[in-house]
Amino acid sequence: DAKTTQPPSMDCAEGRAANLPCNHSTISGNEYVYWYRQIHSQGPQYIIHGLKNNETNEMASLIITEDRKSSTLILPHATLRDTAVYYCIGSYSGGGADGLTFGKGTHLIIQP
Amino acid sequence: EPEVTQTPSHQVTQMGQEVILRCVPISNHLYFYWYRQILGQKVEFLVSFYNNEISEKSEIFDDQFSVERPDGSNFTLKIRSTKLEDSAMYFCASSEWWDTDTQYFGPGTRLTVL
Repeated sequence: DAKTTQPPSMDCAEGRAANLPCNHSTISGNEYVYWYRQIHSQGPQYIIHGLKNNETNEMASLIITEDRKSSTLILPHATLRDTAVYYCIGSYSGGGADGLTFGKGTHLIIQP
Repeated sequence: EPEVTQTPSHQVTQMGQEVILRCVPISNHLYFYWYRQILGQKVEFLVSFYNNEISEKSEIFDDQFSVERPDGSNFTLKIRSTKLEDSAMYFCASSEWWDTDTQYFGPGTRLTVL
């Protein structure tokens, strides 16, 4: 799995868009970029994943650069409930037999 | 929405005792996982399981650990002789397929070894 680098923490005002960056310069051509989050020691929660194209779902948008060396997770209208640790994970298959490799992630704090 | 469930939510045990952590994966999922998270540390992969066999296991998953799918719905993690350092949150996860599929995690069991 690709090594990913994320800032340890970020703040965002409630109601604003939260933009979480991730560098994955060693990602292989067939590795997906997955985002999970963990709210206060609960089980990690899947957010979104992508390979090359930008992706959007009901939770977030994922913007992947053309060279695939970095990506940004966008929470369009952050709420206090979005305060969590966000993990960017490079994976060939969503974990597959080897499981997901979690780093330290970014602790996103939404300020009222 | 279907979800992974885990019991108990908190287990306290004495060092050297055996514990069994239970998980009910999402019903149509075929791939099952256990992870652990020591307080303040990363979530770590322990083991993956498919078709009643272990697919992969990490270095953490030594001989004191075992997994089992005793029936069509439960997936268990057994720790034979608990140590103080086994104190952690244990998360079960499941996915429908290996390939590009997301994993759905349960709420976790907090294991405290005294």
